[in-house]
Amino acid sequence: AQRVTQPEKLLSVFKGAPVELKCNYSYSGSPELFWYVQYSRQRLQLLLRHISRESIKGFTADLNKGETSFHLKKPFAQEEDSAMYYCAPPNSGGYQKVTFGIGTKLQVIP
Amino acid sequence: DTAVSQTPKYLVTQMGNDKSIKCEQNLGHDTMYWYKQDSKKFLKIMFSYNNKELIINETVPNRFSPKSPDKAHLNLHINSLELGDSAVYFCASSQETAHEQFFGPGTRLTVL
Repeated sequence: AQRVTQPEKLLSVFKGAPVELKCNYSYSGSPELFWYVQYSRQRLQLLLRHISRESIKGFTADLNKGETSFHLKKPFAQEEDSAMYYCAPPNSGGYQKVTFGIGTKLQVIP
Repeated sequence: DTAVSQTPKYLVTQMGNDKSIKCEQNLGHDTMYWYKQDSKKFLKIMFSYNNKELIINETVPNRFSPKSPDKAHLNLHINSLELGDSAVYFCASSQETAHEQFFGPGTRLTVL
């Protein structure tokens, strides 16, 4: 099954510091990957997908095939970035492939 | 213009009761899901359903049963509720080939 791993359950950074949320995947090829964000007591929402190569709210994520990673980065953390972040593979028709990472809680300290 | 909606938002009930959570999407998507998010924010898929097939996660107790009256709805019925069922349940939908999932606001279930 396609799997993603988020090694950190909690990441605390100071406001203005760079952020890197780690995500590694365990399957070959060129996977489509996503980052979802869940702000406090809100629904999950798509933050960005690697295929679009866009920057959302200052976040970017690049697929590194050599390291099989899709880390989420932002150069300067803001307090409003505090949230749960989930890395996810795409839906490909079977639930076994829709396996979100465990999630990383980002805490931005003022 | 809510894309994915769930009712109720909060559900407090006693152990042993039977309850249902409703989900509706107006996006015309083919696939809908139910997820359980526990107190540690771990998100676990329970079911995936499209107009062809219901895919059941075998780790989900058979007290949980999804019901889809039509393509736009996927309800979750839970029998004989247990304390461990307390969690936030999220419904989501996606196009079969478009990959992105759209989530509902969640239903916070508390079993006393």
